[in-house]
Amino acid sequence: DTGVSQDPRHKITKRGQNVTFRCDPISEHNRLYWYRQTLGQGPEFLTYFQNEAQLEKSRLLSDRFSAERPKGSFSTLEIQRTEQGDSAMYLCASSLGASGLSYNEQFFGPGTRLTVL
Amino acid sequence: AQSVSQHNHHVILSEAASLELGCNYSYGGTVNLFWYVQYPGQHLQLLLKYFSGDPLVKGIKGFEAEFIKSKFSFNLRKPSVQWSDTAEYFCAVKVSSASKIIFGSGTRLSIRP
Repeated sequence: DTGVSQDPRHKITKRGQNVTFRCDPISEHNRLYWYRQTLGQGPEFLTYFQNEAQLEKSRLLSDRFSAERPKGSFSTLEIQRTEQGDSAMYLCASSLGASGLSYNEQFFGPGTRLTVL
Repeated sequence: AQSVSQHNHHVILSEAASLELGCNYSYGGTVNLFWYVQYPGQHLQLLLKYFSGDPLVKGIKGFEAEFIKSKFSFNLRKPSVQWSDTAEYFCAVKVSSASKIIFGSGTRLSIRP
């Protein structure tokens, strides 16, 4: 499968615990995005990387959230001291960005569903 | 701030009925517009996009959408729906100078066989 993959697909944790999710983008894609989707809503942008550089972060990304993409390939999203309000589907997307192109399709992964008890 | 409004939360149609899902966005500058679809148990996937040029765009599976700049709208249409079109549909906008996509809250489409 050459699409975007995410691991784990489901995570159940207790309030206050830390969790980490992984995203593997399509191999030649240099841009990687994280979104969060809660029930009944569309995905909301969290953050975006071009190669290893984190270029934009949403206000939704509180101090408890951190994302990395150390080698410009896979990315991790960590949530510290989880709260019940963090329960959501966390989606990763990737695209091929190049100068001179205004648009490159974002391909989405299956998501990681987080439940905080 | 940019936003996207989808007027219908849940639409129920019979097979062969015509479909139109409404979408309006708020942003005065140049935008790219999208419709994404999420079939039950599957990933979000791109149905169609408007980048520039002809405001009537055609996507996969017989869907089309029309960009009306004066109305800030990008409604999705299909002349005759099938049971397999049952899914959630998301309208989305991207400011052309930005990277992130802003999604609407989605419309759940249920097709009666």
